[in-house]
Amino acid sequence: DADVTQTPRNRITKTGKRIMLECSQTKGHDRMYWYRQDPGLGLRLIYYSFDVKDINKGEISDGYSVSRQAQAKFSLSLESAIPNQTALYFCATSDLETSGKETQYFGPGTRLLVL
Amino acid sequence: RKEVEQDPGPFNVPEGATVAFNCTYSNSASQSFFWYRQDCRKEPKLLMSVYSSGNEDGRFTAQLNRASQYISLLIRDSKLSDSATYLCAVNDGEDNFNKFYFGSGTKLNVKP
Repeated sequence: DADVTQTPRNRITKTGKRIMLECSQTKGHDRMYWYRQDPGLGLRLIYYSFDVKDINKGEISDGYSVSRQAQAKFSLSLESAIPNQTALYFCATSDLETSGKETQYFGPGTRLLVL
Repeated sequence: RKEVEQDPGPFNVPEGATVAFNCTYSNSASQSFFWYRQDCRKEPKLLMSVYSSGNEDGRFTAQLNRASQYISLLIRDSKLSDSATYLCAVNDGEDNFNKFYFGSGTKLNVKP
């Protein structure tokens, strides 16, 4: 079974709709992240969380919100979807090792189309 | 200026060729460095971490040049299955917040 899962894997929605993307992990990691990926722009950080109920904005948080109610789950919401939020969304997890080193592991992605 | 920059390619090489990519980073205080592989429409998967002394994993060799602030990935004896986009990632490691910066990726096409 995959360590990091995302649901749904694909979603088509209309402008103005509220949608939620879910991320679950079985790696036991404290740190979780949401990124979006657009062609030519690479991965951009939306929000991140280092622990339950800890929420931090990334570089492109406007129009998004997140919730971290449990260590294993981190959800991303688009309150009122707009077409330029069409993108591939990735959840990632990581843990801070005693060496100070940290590696990120990604979920399979959610492909979102906003019409 | 972007934190991490990569040549987007594509690099089109024949099977068996040796190919190398570079990735430059802007923050001289960056602590950790990684190469990820991403297949079309899939998630990035960790290929290898990049250590100060350089490291090798089979046909793949990663190097770090702190003086010039770049990391490199060398692939020897390219296989068709190596065709993918290669992302570099850099981690700041400041104040216990290890912020990751990803490059936009370099596309590799290995042809028969």
